[in-house]
Amino acid sequence: AQSVTQPDIHITVSEGASLELRCNYSYGATPYLFWYVQSPGQGLQLLLKYFSGDTLVQGIKGFEAEFKRSQSSFNLRKPSVHWSDAAEYFCAVGHNNAGNMLTFGGGTRLMVKP
Amino acid sequence: EPEVTQTPSHQVTQMGQEVILRCVPISNHLYFYWYRQILGQKVEFLVSFYNNEISEKSEIFDDQFSVERPDGSNFTLKIRSTKLEDSAMYFCASSEDGQASNQPQHFGDGTRLSIL
Repeated sequence: AQSVTQPDIHITVSEGASLELRCNYSYGATPYLFWYVQSPGQGLQLLLKYFSGDTLVQGIKGFEAEFKRSQSSFNLRKPSVHWSDAAEYFCAVGHNNAGNMLTFGGGTRLMVKP
Repeated sequence: EPEVTQTPSHQVTQMGQEVILRCVPISNHLYFYWYRQILGQKVEFLVSFYNNEISEKSEIFDDQFSVERPDGSNFTLKIRSTKLEDSAMYFCASSEDGQASNQPQHFGDGTRLSIL
């Protein structure tokens, strides 16, 4: 069965420091992968997606993610974190079937120190 | 930028009562979804809907649940005879296309459902 694991429940980084959020997936076919961000009281906003082609994908707000098939990973990165990046981040795998459901990881809560 | 809107933002209901959660998807989108997130747990898929019928549903989506597109703009989730364990944040989403690779799902801000 498909699954998504985000090993880090909480991460704290200093403002201006680099960030990497880990995501590992288990899926039988070619995965469609997404990162969403959720600010307090808000919905899920799409940061970026991967479905084919270049394994390094660029997203909004200066985020990028790299798909590594050999490691079944899709880690999210940002070179310099801003205080406004504090939020919860969700990795998800999309199922390319009629239902198009997303399977989400458990999320990583990012805190940013001044 | 077009948004998915959900109402109400917070719903409090007595156990055993029926509740209807409402969503207005993005206007040119054809596929609609409901997800839920129990406090402290993962976001879970409930159901997807296309062309006025359910495309896929999870094991969570039992006979207690139903979805409807009553008019050209609204998409509703009805929960009959609510239980305490139905307390969660419910997210509506829509996408232009059902193929995940082409068109991502856009989410609303959610309705927090509290069952007393």
